[in-house]
Amino acid sequence: SQQGEEDPQALSIQEGENATMNCSYKTSINNLQWYRQNSGRGLVHLILIRSNEREKHSGRLRVTLDTSKKSSSLLITASRAADTASYFCATDPRETSGSRLTFGEGTQLTVNP
Amino acid sequence: NAGVMQNPRHLVRRRGQEARLRCSPMKGHSHVYWYRQLPEEGLKFMVYLQKENIIDESGMPKERFSAEFPKEGPSILRIQQVVRGDSAAYFCASSPPGGRGNTIYFGEGSWLTVV
Repeated sequence: SQQGEEDPQALSIQEGENATMNCSYKTSINNLQWYRQNSGRGLVHLILIRSNEREKHSGRLRVTLDTSKKSSSLLITASRAADTASYFCATDPRETSGSRLTFGEGTQLTVNP
Repeated sequence: NAGVMQNPRHLVRRRGQEARLRCSPMKGHSHVYWYRQLPEEGLKFMVYLQKENIIDESGMPKERFSAEFPKEGPSILRIQQVVRGDSAAYFCASSPPGGRGNTIYFGEGSWLTVV
């Protein structure tokens, strides 16, 4: 599998339900970031979680990081139709320069009204 | 504070022409990154630049692609003699100086279509 691989590839839920997306990676990281991308648009930064953090919250978003399992999850609670988008995790590997990110292929989330 | 500005948003080129994509980072940001996104795929790193320096170009195709970030003006990603396979969204991102671990902010992308 690739660095920053999301699971599932696609997720369809009803408005009000929770959505959980997972991300696995291979190498040691400095941090892991989650982004959202609406169709035909750029990426919107959601949350950055550092390698020494285990959980982070932002509004309806909750991100966890398990460095021993090299995995992260993004939970969106009380989903809304406007949450429909692709969600990407991106890792900032320790061995690369700058803040270069390695992206997964994304999870396409559809929230049905 | 304006975000990362990219232009053009959409660009159509015939095979063999040149494409120039421009990116102005956020104010105060001195690190610029270019990524490419093929349809239905994630973003793939191309190049990382600081002012007047290419720091990491390990993701750039060896031929036809070049990038610069001059002392004055925007960063430019240049694709010479475009082919159909170059059709993709090209995203620029920037981050502030001061080392690793900073949040990277993305522009809205430039969609290149080669006909």
